[in-house]
Amino acid sequence: EVQLVESGGGLVQPGGSLRLSCAASGFALSSYSMNWVRQAPGKGLEWVAYISNSSPTLYYADSVKGRFTISRDNAKNSLYLQMNSLRDEDTAVYYCARHDYGAYGGYWGQGTLVIVSS
Amino acid sequence: EIVLTQSPGTLSLSPGERATLSCRASQSVSSSYLAWYQQKPGRAPRFLIYGASSRATGVPDRFSGSGSGTDFTLTISRLEPEDSAVYYCQRYDRSPYTFGQGTKLEIK
Repeated sequence: EVQLVESGGGLVQPGGSLRLSCAASGFALSSYSMNWVRQAPGKGLEWVAYISNSSPTLYYADSVKGRFTISRDNAKNSLYLQMNSLRDEDTAVYYCARHDYGAYGGYWGQGTLVIVSS
Repeated sequence: EIVLTQSPGTLSLSPGERATLSCRASQSVSSSYLAWYQQKPGRAPRFLIYGASSRATGVPDRFSGSGSGTDFTLTISRLEPEDSAVYYCQRYDRSPYTFGQGTKLEIK
């Protein structure tokens, strides 16, 4: 069974850092590109970052460029999001999602909550 | 950067009726790389439609997608109470993989 489990969320002060993890099981992470998507409280979905399965190619939303870094460790079957210089507006549930838009695609984790507040 | 605009913002319909949700892109979405999701409160989004019109595995045939270029539609025929949710479209042809702002569907 394919599963994605995020962890590492919590309360952090503005300007602080946090590292999110996404543990994949039931499939080889190395075969898939991955995304981080976030959702602020009561708001819609916002795509945050993408990493390809090889090379890798990295893309970021303008709102996080230069502050967030997406990475992967295929040996550990894990995806990461390093978040630096955090702002109040980064408060959200962060989801990892497989970049897989086929008949059997669309796998998302359950999300981890990040609260940026003093 | 492509902007996806969904309409209406909120839709209130009765069971058995048909819902028509729109997603309009500010520029053409290549090869109809457009997906639809359903999200219920406190839950992760559920993948419904890919390639603008193909249903993901396990999605009831009451859900159908159509459109190309800049205009896309999600239709839900024969609404059921469990269809109450927020629906999002997303482009996945190239970065940024933008989402629309969502349409809230209420079942009376």
